[in-house]
Amino acid sequence: QVQLVQSGAEVKKPGASVKISCKASGYTFTNYHLHWVRQAPGQGLEWMGIYSPSGGNTQYAQKFQGRITLTGDTSTSTAYMEMSSLRSDDTATYFCAKDVAGSRGYPFDYWGQGTLVTVPS
Amino acid sequence: SYVLTQPPSVSVAPGETARITCGGINIGARNVHWYQQKPGQAPILVIYYDSERPSGIPERFSGSNSGNTATLTISRAEAGDEADYYCQVWESSSDHFVFGSGTKLTVL
Repeated sequence: QVQLVQSGAEVKKPGASVKISCKASGYTFTNYHLHWVRQAPGQGLEWMGIYSPSGGNTQYAQKFQGRITLTGDTSTSTAYMEMSSLRSDDTATYFCAKDVAGSRGYPFDYWGQGTLVTVPS
Repeated sequence: SYVLTQPPSVSVAPGETARITCGGINIGARNVHWYQQKPGQAPILVIYYDSERPSGIPERFSGSNSGNTATLTISRAEAGDEADYYCQVWESSSDHFVFGSGTKLTVL
């Protein structure tokens, strides 16, 4: 069965960086895009960007452009989201999610369990 | 960027029909997806491409999209339907996804 298993919770100081992993199993990693979505405490979902394992292509939401880097390792079927210059308002749960059909615009059918990143003020 | 507007909350009595709207300029021309999220859990896709149901999603969940409003309809609401619901569209011009602000469904 399809699974996306994310790395554990992180506590980071302001100005630091964090790198979260998302290990995929149960499907062909290179056939589908992986998206990253974050959710601040008590807030809604916010799309951050997309990573295409087949060619390594990425697209970032304008808000995060220059501050996040999406990468992956096809040998381990793992995607990564790295965010730099952390601020207190980056405190959130970060999700990876697989799309349905490996093309732009398709919805997300499987999600990771989420990774809580806390940046104390 | 494209803005999706949802009511913050919707209440429904058990057994009745809940309707959650998602407003956007000419949203009827876009494909709308809906997610259900319960506290402490990852979202679940409940409707995609306006009105399609993934396998495992009850027939009580349906969707429509026309003009400036997309609607998620939950018939015969149950206590287990209590959750936050988010609409989502793909903005092809910018190659970005956009989520609505979310609606908290309460089944009284």
